[in-house]
Amino acid sequence: NAGVTQTPKFQVLKTGQSMTLQCAQDMNHEYMSWYRQDPGMGLRLIHYSVGAGITDQGEVPNGYNVSRSTTEDFPLRLLSAAPSQTSVYFCASTGTGGDGEQFFGPGTRLTVL
Amino acid sequence: LAKTTQPISMDSYEGQEVNITCSHNNIATNDYITWYQQFPSQGPRFIIQGYKTKVTNEVASLFIPADRKSSTLSLPRVSLSDTAVYYCLVSGAGSYQLTFGKGTKLSVIP
Repeated sequence: NAGVTQTPKFQVLKTGQSMTLQCAQDMNHEYMSWYRQDPGMGLRLIHYSVGAGITDQGEVPNGYNVSRSTTEDFPLRLLSAAPSQTSVYFCASTGTGGDGEQFFGPGTRLTVL
Repeated sequence: LAKTTQPISMDSYEGQEVNITCSHNNIATNDYITWYQQFPSQGPRFIIQGYKTKVTNEVASLFIPADRKSSTLSLPRVSLSDTAVYYCLVSGAGSYQLTFGKGTKLSVIP
């Protein structure tokens, strides 16, 4: 199992550009989520999905879109990048039931100039 | 979601036992307490979860008093590789929306 994978690892954008951060998991988990982490801070929830075709907003959803067409993939789209979106982005997944342990990907470090 | 309070940072020498206490005065009846560990440039990693009394696994122990308003993560005989940020989280059973505070930055000194 590769677990949770994210691409790219690093990305630099100019203000106004759009891009998609990719996230995939091979554990057949129903629940997936996106967090952002700013320097010296904890993680903040952007969007989450409880299954294919179902998504919802987290704490800081503005400026981001998500979709969940398959169980495995949960891409995060930045519609028009802003410097305030400079951050490290983590994708996570967990199966239903059990202790709800979330498995995190390695992160994508995004810089918006 | 219950708010948690934990120390910003702690230092410890190698080989010592480290106890990190987390306060969660507004914990709800069905809330669980979970601890995650995060190394620099990596995503958080689940350490341990508990509801009451004591839970132990191969990595750590979690002590929760009867009133459940606080919890203590205990790391036995820490090594340099335990240097990381430790997050205490409180969430309801079946809730997948985690709220991370700033965590406790543990520095292990040789």
